[in-house]
Amino acid sequence: DTEVTQTPKHLVMGMTNKKSLKCEQHMGHRAMYWYKQKAKKPPELMFVYSYEKLSINESVPSRFSPECPNSSLLNLHLHALQPEDSALYLCASSQLGSADTQYFGPGTRLTVL
Amino acid sequence: AQSVAQPEDQVNVAEGNPLTVKCTYSVSGNPYLFWYVQYPNRGLQFLLKYITGDNLVKGSYGFEAEFNKSQTSFHLKKPSALVSDSALYFCAVRDDAGYGGSQGNLIFGKGTKLSVKP
Repeated sequence: DTEVTQTPKHLVMGMTNKKSLKCEQHMGHRAMYWYKQKAKKPPELMFVYSYEKLSINESVPSRFSPECPNSSLLNLHLHALQPEDSALYLCASSQLGSADTQYFGPGTRLTVL
Repeated sequence: AQSVAQPEDQVNVAEGNPLTVKCTYSVSGNPYLFWYVQYPNRGLQFLLKYITGDNLVKGSYGFEAEFNKSQTSFHLKKPSALVSDSALYFCAVRDDAGYGGSQGNLIFGKGTKLSVKP
């Protein structure tokens, strides 16, 4: 089973709202990732968690706040977003080796009004 | 610095014909190379990867890719294209410098849109 699940599939929020994106995997992977993808562009790495600890933050604005409650779950908390933050947010997971495959979830389509 | 180049924004192929989607890379260490496919409004789906060994890698849905070290290329191929293969294809690379930090991240090409016409 190589499934990564993400909820919700679609999210529309105002600039003053607080919302959260959720990601789950049951493959025993110890690395989890958040990516942001604009239309017809490659994914851009935002955060990496390894062993449930934040290991990489790619200079993401503080209005995005990641959380890894346990080895299977990854959240992305959103607050005071801007319209330019509208994008497809992808979660991925993998084992920790450089050769290990990252498996992606279906994404959450976020629209900020 | 690591980089991946997909020189074609779009590839057009007739159904039943062979297809090639090109990818070249630059890394400081040994490369680990990946191909992903993305259908509209979906996540990235893993197709195949090269780690070491045989230069011809076979993957899902009849796709294969050939690793060429001297040309630093990893082109994706399929002998007979299907209309359902129409999608956005991403090549990605990591090197063996180790996990963590920007050296260990997956670097994506800009993507190539494949259009297969009946």
